[in-house]
Amino acid sequence: ETGVTQSPTHLIKTRGQQVTLRCSSQSGHNTVSWYQQALGQGPQFIFQYYREEENGRGNFPPRFSGLQFPNYSSELNVNALELDDSALYLCASSLASWGSNYGYTFGSGTRLTVV
Amino acid sequence: GNSVTQMEGPVTLSEEAFLTINCTYTATGYPSLFWYVQYPGEGLQLLLKATKADDKGSNKGFEATYRKETTSFHLEKGSVQVSDSAVYFCALHNYGQNFVFGPGTRLSVLP
Repeated sequence: ETGVTQSPTHLIKTRGQQVTLRCSSQSGHNTVSWYQQALGQGPQFIFQYYREEENGRGNFPPRFSGLQFPNYSSELNVNALELDDSALYLCASSLASWGSNYGYTFGSGTRLTVV
Repeated sequence: GNSVTQMEGPVTLSEEAFLTINCTYTATGYPSLFWYVQYPGEGLQLLLKATKADDKGSNKGFEATYRKETTSFHLEKGSVQVSDSAVYFCALHNYGQNFVFGPGTRLSVLP
């Protein structure tokens, strides 16, 4: 059973640029959520995708967008990067939308640094 | 809204000491409660969970009991090891909503 894989592991971007982060869900999982973890803080919910549709969003501006593909892999796109976007971005997959009893598996994250 | 509060760290203990990390929550409904651990440079790993009041989650010597009357889910371990050094996150999850995490508590265990 494969876990959740995120790429790249580290990334440095310049303010104003755009970035795409990728996530491969655990085999069989049809739901993926993205979280932002700033240094020294707990993860904050960005959005969730279930069967290729966004079905939940946290308090993040529209320049944070995503996609989920038919194989349930996912992308997080951030436009017009700001210094405060520097963080660890975590992807989590699960078997059912919002179903906590099924559990969520987290990836190791992508550390984004904006300079 | 839902929220999680954890004791501030860092917590520094000697090997074989007793560990308690306090966690309290505010939530509507009947959330499931979790403890996640994050080792340096890594993502989150599920440590244990409890899905209803009075349930006790346990794993690797760690345990926590879901106390609805005090809205708490304190993490305990009887004898910590150097390898337990990490950041610990308390979290809650209500069906139909996202995870809500606490700010994390850094634990350092000295040999």
